[in-house]
Amino acid sequence: NAGVTQTPKFQVLKTGQSMTLQCAQDMNHNSMYWYRQDPGMGLRLIYYSASEGTTDKGEVPNGYNVSRLNKREFSLRLESAAPSQTSVYFCASSEAATWRETQYFGPGTRLLVL
Amino acid sequence: SQQGEEDPQALSIQEGENATMNCSYKTSINNLQWYRQNSGRGLVHLILIRSNEREKHSGRLRVTLDTSKKSSSLLITASRAADTASYFCATRGQAGTALIFGKGTTLSVSS
Repeated sequence: NAGVTQTPKFQVLKTGQSMTLQCAQDMNHNSMYWYRQDPGMGLRLIYYSASEGTTDKGEVPNGYNVSRLNKREFSLRLESAAPSQTSVYFCASSEAATWRETQYFGPGTRLLVL
Repeated sequence: SQQGEEDPQALSIQEGENATMNCSYKTSINNLQWYRQNSGRGLVHLILIRSNEREKHSGRLRVTLDTSKKSSSLLITASRAADTASYFCATRGQAGTALIFGKGTTLSVSS
């Protein structure tokens, strides 16, 4: 099993450009998450999907949109990138949205917005 | 908003020494988790302790939870250079689905 995969690994954008970060998991998990990690800030939740067909905002959703394409895939879209969105983005998944959940993380996408 | 806050922010020790990291949180929880992140990598789950547990072991890891003080500690015994990483605590409240992570403790183990 590959676990959680993310594409691309690196991306450089110019301000105003758009892009979609892809995430897929092969663990048959119901819940999926997008985080961003900035130096000294830890991880902050952008959006999550508790189950297929549902999405909810996290702590820092502004400037982002998400799509739960199917049970395996959860994409994050930047419609008009801004330098403040320079960050490392992590996708994660968990079996269910219960107190038992352990999250499994992808390797991350490093995004630089110029 | 941060739920868990780790302390210290950074810790440097020699191989063979023990490393202790602490996490304080604000609201009631039903479990607390610890994760490790090696440089340039995603987070890896280490251990989960439930609110009705006081101590849990996994190999060289020992986690304690004191719900009255709203705090947890992660002890790594006999540290190795390979333990060099950032360690995060994560919690979630009684309701909701999202884990909230602290800012992490960066551990450096030198040989």
